[in-house]
Amino acid sequence: EAQVTQNPRYLITVTGKKLTVTCSQNMNHEYMSWYRQDPGLGLRQIYYSMNVEVTDKGDVPEGYKVSRKEKRNFPLILESPSPNQTSLYFCASSRRLAGGTDTQYFGPGTRLTVL
Amino acid sequence: AQTVTQSQPEMSVQEAETVTLSCTYDTSESDYYLFWYKQPPSRQMILVIRQEAYKQQNATENRFSVNFQKAAKSFSLKISDSQLGDAAMYFCAYDDYKLSFGAGTTVTVRA
Repeated sequence: EAQVTQNPRYLITVTGKKLTVTCSQNMNHEYMSWYRQDPGLGLRQIYYSMNVEVTDKGDVPEGYKVSRKEKRNFPLILESPSPNQTSLYFCASSRRLAGGTDTQYFGPGTRLTVL
Repeated sequence: AQTVTQSQPEMSVQEAETVTLSCTYDTSESDYYLFWYKQPPSRQMILVIRQEAYKQQNATENRFSVNFQKAAKSFSLKISDSQLGDAAMYFCAYDDYKLSFGAGTTVTVRA
């Protein structure tokens, strides 16, 4: 079954405690990305990756890190989480096309609370 | 960041009727893609319809169709014969490798 998995699904942590949210896809997609969803703001792209070892900033990259060492995995790292990073996070993958990407396949979401 | 504007925070429609959701975007690019995604209460993001900017023909998927006006930078979604299962938040998205989403429109379907 084609899917994007994220772990954990729910996480409550404290300010400053480093954490990683994993993301994995089994569709051999070149493109992967991370989003955060906040009420009234829609989804905002944090980082995206066009292929292995190629990453770029989205609209809200501050406070986040990513890496793309393998095609299937794209972890999101919060080195020192703060309460304003409390949000719902989505990972997504898609094929890369000329001029953009194909349909995004989204993971189930990770609800993060930073106290 | 490209700006995507959904001017209707909420829309209500009677079952079996038609509702149209508006979306405008700002870009200087000529090649890009546009999408509508649906997010039901389960929070799962589901593709509704996609449109390639180089295609003049409006995309259609069963009861869902778009009105793509490239010069006006407008991309509205029409839901025909609305069903209770259409109740969800709908997001318009612009894609030229960086994706930008609108704030969303919550659609309520009245039985």
